[in-house]
Amino acid sequence: DADVTQTPRNRITKTGKRIMLECSQTKGHDRMYWYRQDPGLGLRLIYYSFDVKDINKGEISDGYSVSRQAQAKFSLSLESAIPNQTALYFCATSETGGLQETQYFGPGTRLLVL
Amino acid sequence: DQQVKQNSPSLSVQEGRISILNCDYTNSMFDYFLWYKKYPAEGPTFLISISSIKDKNEDGRFTVFLNKSAKHLSLHIVPSQPGDSAVYFCAAYNNAGNMLTFGGGTRLMVKP
Repeated sequence: DADVTQTPRNRITKTGKRIMLECSQTKGHDRMYWYRQDPGLGLRLIYYSFDVKDINKGEISDGYSVSRQAQAKFSLSLESAIPNQTALYFCATSETGGLQETQYFGPGTRLLVL
Repeated sequence: DQQVKQNSPSLSVQEGRISILNCDYTNSMFDYFLWYKKYPAEGPTFLISISSIKDKNEDGRFTVFLNKSAKHLSLHIVPSQPGDSAVYFCAAYNNAGNMLTFGGGTRLMVKP
């Protein structure tokens, strides 16, 4: 079984709709992250959380919100989806402890906003 | 402006030869660097890393070189194998260690 899972794996939605992407992990890690990948731009950090009560904005948080429901769950919401949010979204986790920890990624969610 | 750049979007190499993937960065506060490998329909997986106090780190067929004065790092794969065909991302942590900045990726194709 995968350590980091994302649902759904693919989603098509319309402009203006609210959508939630979910991430669960069984690694027991405290730190969780949401990234989006666009061609040529690599992965860009949207939000991150170092524990259940901690939420931090990343590089491109506008238009997104997150919820850390439990240590193992971190959800990303698009309150009103727009076409330029069409991208591949990845959740990741890392251990607490030292800095600069290796991050472990889920398989990704491909989102298309029409 | 991208702080981590991979200027070659793609690279094609013959099986058995060396693959060299390059990465440049602009932020002098970056002090820990990682390479990730990504296959289609999968998330990136960690490959190898290097701290700024070193100039080389080796793990089997994979070696990462860091030139701090040039703000440049490279990943060498020797010998290249068809299974190495993937997208490779360079990434960097700043010295606060809380955010990872990625390059745009290089697609490596290893031909049999």
